[in-house]
Amino acid sequence: AQSVSQHNHHVILSEAASLELGCNYSYGGTVNLFWYVQYPGQHLQLLLKYFSGDPLVKGIKGFEAEFIKSKFSFNLRKPSVQWSDTAEYFCAVNAGGTYKYIFGTGTRLKVLA
Amino acid sequence: KAGVTQTPRYLIKTRGQQVTLSCSPISGHRSVSWYQQTPGQGLQFLFEYFSETQRNKGNFPGRFSGRQFSNSRSEMNVSTLELGDSALYLCASSSGPDAYEQYFGPGTRLTVT
Repeated sequence: AQSVSQHNHHVILSEAASLELGCNYSYGGTVNLFWYVQYPGQHLQLLLKYFSGDPLVKGIKGFEAEFIKSKFSFNLRKPSVQWSDTAEYFCAVNAGGTYKYIFGTGTRLKVLA
Repeated sequence: KAGVTQTPRYLIKTRGQQVTLSCSPISGHRSVSWYQQTPGQGLQFLFEYFSETQRNKGNFPGRFSGRQFSNSRSEMNVSTLELGDSALYLCASSSGPDAYEQYFGPGTRLTVT
């Protein structure tokens, strides 16, 4: 069965620190990969996506993610976090052509001002 | 464009009752997916509809069902409610048929007592 693992459940950082959130999936075929963010009291919104091509993708608000096929990973990064990045982050995988999305359990990020 | 809307936003039901939740996708979007979000399990995929056809479903019991209407609006129904059904139910739409970027609604918070 397909699965998505987010190893960090809670992360606390100070402003200006660098961020890397891990995401690993289990599926051997073609995948579409996503990171979503849920700010307090708001809807889930798309941060970035990978369908094909350059494995380093850039999203909104300075976030980027790198797809490493050999490691089945799609880690999210940001060089310098801000207090406003405090939110819950979800990694999601869509196995190509299945119309089914598997989400990780989320990582709660708290950024201290 | 208006976003994905879900009604009602909050619902309290008693064990054994049934409930129907509604989702209106973004105008022009024809794919609707439903998820159950709980603190321990994260987002769990329920089912996906496109042009009134269910294309995929998650691992939920038959008490969970859904449908999509010709105007792309979707409903999900949970019969014989259990305490464990208490969750945030999220609806997401995409333009489809093979568009994989989803836009989420605010969710319906269901509490079963």
